[in-house]
Amino acid sequence: GAVVSQHPSRVICKSGTSVKIECRSLDFQATTMFWYRQFPKKSLMLMATSNEGSKATYEQGVEKDKFLINHASLTLSTLTVTSAHPEDSSFYICSVKSHTGELFFGEGSRLTVL
Amino acid sequence: AQSVTQLGSHVSVSEGALVLLRCNYSSSVPPYLFWYVQYPNQGLQLLLKYTSAATLVKGINGFEAEFKKSETSFHLTKPSAHMSDAAEYFCAVSVASGGSNYKLTFGKGTLLTVNP
Repeated sequence: GAVVSQHPSRVICKSGTSVKIECRSLDFQATTMFWYRQFPKKSLMLMATSNEGSKATYEQGVEKDKFLINHASLTLSTLTVTSAHPEDSSFYICSVKSHTGELFFGEGSRLTVL
Repeated sequence: AQSVTQLGSHVSVSEGALVLLRCNYSSSVPPYLFWYVQYPNQGLQLLLKYTSAATLVKGINGFEAEFKKSETSFHLTKPSAHMSDAAEYFCAVSVASGGSNYKLTFGKGTLLTVNP
């Protein structure tokens, strides 16, 4: 069964609104989760590392105030796209690091901003 | 910094034919290497990984890959393609960071199509 669950799998929103995407670790507690963004026909780009109980670590070029990450518990991390615009439309994927170091990926969330 | 180059954004094979997806990496330290598969509108599934043990790595679904340091390559192969193998394949590299090899750098992906 799935190890990582993402919700929603698809979301459409109006420009200027905020959208929250959840990433849940179903099988184990995870102090570290990762958020990726995937553009059409492109690779995955690591956006940030989500650390339970502390601030997320963002990759260079990723706007912290635009992409808010909260890791409030050992099984849940959320990514909020604030004041979304059409250029934010993308496929967002989270991954969870197990205690053995292996990464498990969620099934992704497709965001479309109109 | 590490990087990955996947040669060929699209590979097409006939069912039953050999599958070869190419991946070359660049890393200043011994790398960890991974192959992932992604089906449409889904996340990534780990096919196999190289972590400095055996250079020939066997994965799921009949795939395998060979680490060749002299060629800085980690090509993915499968002797006989099946229709269900049609998907996007990503090669990824990471180096141990703080004791954990988790920060992955992905290639741009190779779309595999399998013709009946």
